Amino acid sequence: SAVISQKPSRDICQRGTSLTIQCQVDSQVTMMFWYRQQPGQSLTLIATANQGSEATYESGFVIDKFPISRPNLTFSTLTVSNMSPEDSSIYLCLVQGYNEQFFGPGTRLTVL
Amino acid sequence: RKEVEQDPGPFNVPEGATVAFNCTYSNSASQSFFWYRQDCRKEPKLLMSVYSSGNEDGRFTAQLNRASQYISLLIRDSKLSDSATYLCVVTGNTPLVFGKGTRLSVIA
Repeated sequence: SAVISQKPSRDICQRGTSLTIQCQVDSQVTMMFWYRQQPGQSLTLIATANQGSEATYESGFVIDKFPISRPNLTFSTLTVSNMSPEDSSIYLCLVQGYNEQFFGPGTRLTVL
Repeated sequence: RKEVEQDPGPFNVPEGATVAFNCTYSNSASQSFFWYRQDCRKEPKLLMSVYSSGNEDGRFTAQLNRASQYISLLIRDSKLSDSATYLCVVTGNTPLVFGKGTRLSVIA
């Protein structure tokens, strides 16, 4: 199975600031996704991180709020911009190889 | 109608009990089905895939009914360590879609 790391593991941020979350995989994977899990809720897909091109966003999520990069097959970043308390959540990257998918350990974000 | 629906529970069962979770999905084009387990404050981890013929992994049995768009997970001889939230997951030509999860507490 792939080994996935996310940085930071947690952070407490002030309203109006931005935070960039990194996801690193130890092997090349075909697909990388970013999910959000708000307190007491299930996981919601934010976007598919496309290597070398713009991410594909789900309904309700926009690039200005959640810019995503994926410069290569093993790394992606998600930025949560102009944060508000409603952005407090766990953010997880999901990587998909051949017929398998694994989550990163998640980034727990609290916005004050 | 939500894409994936589960009974949220909680299910509180004694050790050794058998417990079943159900899940329904709305997209008839869904092709792959999974059960994930999520422990408190941890990321979800794949428990097992669900195949049309049904499949078993130790104490865990998963069933799929495509006609009814229904998935189930049966846990036999429950252990304290089975306490977690169980997420029903479906996908087709789309990324994984998660249910809200069913919370299980196994009590000594």
